[in-house]
Amino acid sequence: DAGVIQSPRHEVTEMGQEVTLRCKPISGHNSLFWYRQTMMRGLELLIYFNNNVPIDDSGMPEDRFSAKMPNASFSTLKIQPSEPRDSAVYFCASSLRATGYEQYFGPGTRLTVT
Amino acid sequence: EDQVTQSPEALRLQEGESSSLNCSYTVSGLRGLFWYRQDPGKGPEFLFTLYSAGEEKEKERLKATLTKKESFLHITAPKPEDSATYLCAVSGGSYIPTFGRGTSLIVHP
Repeated sequence: DAGVIQSPRHEVTEMGQEVTLRCKPISGHNSLFWYRQTMMRGLELLIYFNNNVPIDDSGMPEDRFSAKMPNASFSTLKIQPSEPRDSAVYFCASSLRATGYEQYFGPGTRLTVT
Repeated sequence: EDQVTQSPEALRLQEGESSSLNCSYTVSGLRGLFWYRQDPGKGPEFLFTLYSAGEEKEKERLKATLTKKESFLHITAPKPEDSATYLCAVSGGSYIPTFGRGTSLIVHP
């Protein structure tokens, strides 16, 4: 398996623009997680899906953030409108099950909002 | 609420100088404790899962152990390529994995 795939790897955009991050989880994994990592706050869980259904989005910073998982092999994280404080590395991870199983992380998307 | 505290925040070792990283946790109903390695510019890479107190896992120069309150990642005779940030996470009753802030390890040749 190719592992978790994320695109784009780098994104530079201007404040106010819409940003869409994409993730393809490992085939057969039922849980998908979106994280944000910064030096200040470390690794923060934004939202996780189980069997394509959003289970907990309490980590989503505000309404500017939204995530979808239309099928078992694809998920998106959208920021609209983007702000400079959204600059971070965004990771997608998948797991066989939501709890008790290790997560496999993608390479991340480094987002810079100017 | 599950909590994970890792110490030290940063550790510098000479090649061959063995040491241990600590992960203290509080969780209701431990379902798994996980160790990850993260290299700069990359996503965390899974190393070990521990499920119950007394359990140990080994991989090359790394050995992870677990008690009811903490886990240790022992690094024996480290090499410069072991330099990375090591993350600890727990999965408990809240189902959502909780990560620590990590320990940044630098091994000097």
